[in-house]
Amino acid sequence: DIVMTQTPLSSPVTLGQPASISCRSSRSLVHSDGNTYLSWLQQRPGQPPRLLIYKISNRFSGVPDRFSGSGAGTDFTLKISRVEAEDVGVYYCMQATQFPHTFGQGTKLEIK
Amino acid sequence: EVQLVESGGVVIQPGGSLRLSCAASGFTFDDYAMHWVRQAPGKGLEWVSLISWDGGSTYYAVSVQGRFTISRDNNRNSLFLQMYSLRAEDTALYYCASGVSRWSGGIDHWGQGTLVTVSS
Repeated sequence: DIVMTQTPLSSPVTLGQPASISCRSSRSLVHSDGNTYLSWLQQRPGQPPRLLIYKISNRFSGVPDRFSGSGAGTDFTLKISRVEAEDVGVYYCMQATQFPHTFGQGTKLEIK
Repeated sequence: EVQLVESGGVVIQPGGSLRLSCAASGFTFDDYAMHWVRQAPGKGLEWVSLISWDGGSTYYAVSVQGRFTISRDNNRNSLFLQMYSLRAEDTALYYCASGVSRWSGGIDHWGQGTLVTVSS
């Protein structure tokens, strides 16, 4: 199985400041079709997860442009340019390149 | 608007069987793969299973392989998860989720989840 490792596991951030979460996979996530199926999800307290970013850097419908994704191969990053109060929650990376699909452990974003 | 509504979660004894259902609407159901993902209380997300758009391919997490069976009814826009030999560690909120493509590509929409509690 591909292991997804996120850092940090907890991220206290000041409102209006940037935040960054890293995700590393144990193997390359480049699929045989040339795509890299790395997604980022947000889970607010008491809510189901919500897709933010797919295929490394594509923002899903309705996602604010303060969220951005980057990376390649085995190393990926989610950045929030200016954290807002509604961004509090747990963020997960997920790989869908290989079965079984796997998630990172989650990074808890909280406001200082 | 995409809607995924899970049902079937209950409190059940270890060793028991259970069938979860998911009713889908707001998209062309038979154009997309479908997933089950679970989340134990206070824990992270665990991918459980996927079924391709036509039901022809299925995949499972090692932890449920041989005990769970995923299926779909494209005529009724419904997804199912048949669970056998349930264990305490299967206790979780089970989410139905839609794939990005016919074969997966990831997950784009999620239901609210249905809670399965395995306890004597």
